[in-house]
Amino acid sequence: AQKITQTQPGMFVQEKEAVTLDCTYDTSDQSYGLFWYKQPSSGEMIFLIYQGSYDEQNATEGRYSLNFQKARKSANLVISASQLGDSAMYFCAMRNRGATNKLIFGTGTLLAVQP
Amino acid sequence: DADVTQTPRNRITKTGKRIMLECSQTKGHDRMYWYRQDPGLGLRLIYYSFDVKDINKGEISDGYSVSRQAQAKFSLSLESAIPNQTALYFCATSDSTTGQVSSYNEQFFGPGTRLTVL
Repeated sequence: AQKITQTQPGMFVQEKEAVTLDCTYDTSDQSYGLFWYKQPSSGEMIFLIYQGSYDEQNATEGRYSLNFQKARKSANLVISASQLGDSAMYFCAMRNRGATNKLIFGTGTLLAVQP
Repeated sequence: DADVTQTPRNRITKTGKRIMLECSQTKGHDRMYWYRQDPGLGLRLIYYSFDVKDINKGEISDGYSVSRQAQAKFSLSLESAIPNQTALYFCATSDSTTGQVSSYNEQFFGPGTRLTVL
């Protein structure tokens, strides 16, 4: 069965420091996609970054980068130079098998950025 | 204007009542999804639709039904609401998946509907 695991229920980070949010996944498929979403306290889901299983380079989007280690089945999100506005819940998700574009989500990590 | 809208944004209802959550999108996407979010469980898929005539159950469809009235509208109904359906409900849309599963194809989420069943 396909599964996403986020083992950090909550994390603290000092403003301006980098933080890594862990995500491991389980799939027997060779072709899959991995997503990170941010959910601030207001509740909306904001897409951050995407990594395809065949992408040779780690994805980057501004201060966000994805540390993709395919052999270890991990897709950790790295946020550089944390800002107070980064305080939010972060979800890792995987596109499941087939071409349905359904997403399987992890349970999330609550990040608190401290001044 | 928001691309994916949900109404209502908040709703409190009583056990046994029928309630409908509505989702509209202006993105022109053919695929629409309903998820629910519970604390500590992440988002789970309730139903999804590839087009007006194609409705599919997700992992937790019991107690829910859906209607795809048009390409842009996808409604979720709770025929007889119960307290454990208290949750945050999200509608999402995406374009058709082209090429391999690993190709980029983001889902766009609505703002969510917070439902409380007393």
